[in-house]
Amino acid sequence: LAKTTQPISMDSYEGQEVNITCSHNNIATNDYITWYQQFPSQGPRFIIQGYKTKVTNEVASLFIPADRKSSTLSLPRVSLSDTAVYYCLVGDFLNYGGSQGNLIFGKGTKLSVKP
Amino acid sequence: NAGVTQTPKFQVLKTGQSMTLQCAQDMNHEYMSWYRQDPGMGLRLIHYSVGAGITDQGEVPNGYNVSRSTTEDFPLRLLSAAPSQTSVYFCASKETNSPLHFGNGTRLTVT
Repeated sequence: LAKTTQPISMDSYEGQEVNITCSHNNIATNDYITWYQQFPSQGPRFIIQGYKTKVTNEVASLFIPADRKSSTLSLPRVSLSDTAVYYCLVGDFLNYGGSQGNLIFGKGTKLSVKP
Repeated sequence: NAGVTQTPKFQVLKTGQSMTLQCAQDMNHEYMSWYRQDPGMGLRLIHYSVGAGITDQGEVPNGYNVSRSTTEDFPLRLLSAAPSQTSVYFCASKETNSPLHFGNGTRLTVT
């Protein structure tokens, strides 16, 4: 089971680009990397998912180096509404039988965006 | 399409009482799971199920029971509540090659 390590907290200002890195040294061949965003009093919601290199969608980019032992979530030009906790999750999302269903989150990164 | 629905939203129990947290999804997802969230601890997996009739333990299963008699429902049972079970509980579901979909949580206080 791939464990993840993230910074506990980060501060930023509106309009800046924010990069949050997640370490997952024992990632398995079939594992994907998924990032979630959580606002207070809500459940986490999906942001982006990738397997290798770079993935981009309308809200974020995900950079994964060749060895896949880490990944970086990039949020361009953050606003106050991006203040939230961000979680990195590593797991086999193509299959979930047996131990692949044991999807373990890390402690997340609390991002605070200031005006 | 309501997604993942959790009931109740809030609950207060006394030590030793039992209760069931309900979770239902209408997306026909095979996989469902329960997490608890405590300050500074992130999300910790309690139990999960990969289909009707199949359940397995996660990181912190002690004190909790689950069953999966239908694809739609995955209730979490506390047989004898303890103050250490005060937490926010999230239910999630997913399909193959899809991300987890979470409910909005149940905030449980055990006094």
